[in-house]
Amino acid sequence: EVKLVESGGGLVQPGGPLTLSCAASGFTFSSYEMNWVRQAPGKGLEWVSYISGSGSTIYYADSVKGRFTISRDNAKNSLYLQMSSLRAEDTAVYYCATKKGNSWYYYWGQGTLVTVSS
Amino acid sequence: VVMTQSPLSLPVTLGQPASISCRSSQSLVYSDGNTFLYWFQQRPGQSPRRLIYEVSNRDSGVPDRFSGSGSGTDFTLKISRVEAEDVGVYYCMEATHWPPTFGQGTKVEIK
Repeated sequence: EVKLVESGGGLVQPGGPLTLSCAASGFTFSSYEMNWVRQAPGKGLEWVSYISGSGSTIYYADSVKGRFTISRDNAKNSLYLQMSSLRAEDTAVYYCATKKGNSWYYYWGQGTLVTVSS
Repeated sequence: VVMTQSPLSLPVTLGQPASISCRSSQSLVYSDGNTFLYWFQQRPGQSPRRLIYEVSNRDSGVPDRFSGSGSGTDFTLKISRVEAEDVGVYYCMEATHWPPTFGQGTKVEIK
């Protein structure tokens, strides 16, 4: 059974850092490209960042470029999102989601809530 | 690319059909001829679930009352007979262009 389990969310002050993790199981993690997708409270879905299976190709949404860093550890079947200089508008549930070839977002985690507030 | 869904709210009667429109600001036909338009369902309090890939292909386990159609810039998700478990928000998403972009979502509720 495929499982994606996010962790690391919580309350953080504006300007502060936070690191999210996504633990994968039930599939060959290194064969899948991975994404972070977020959803602000009561709002729609927004792609945040992408990383290839090897980690060699990375993309970010303009809204987070220069502040967020995506990475993965295929030996640990884990995906990460290091977030810095957090803003109120980064408040959202953050999901990790898979991509394989042209198949986007078939598997999703349950999400982890990040709240940026003083 | 801007993805525009309509309506944003869709009250439906149980057993009746429902239809959601999704329009893109540019053609979603990729250079290889494929069209990377997806539909997702998000039930209250749950993560999104993919229903349809590449316009009209149902994902495994998706009831056949869900169907996708369209081409170019105009796409539609249809539910032939709405059931109580279909309540939630439905999103279209395009991945022909970069970055992948979602529509605003359509909230389906029971009248």
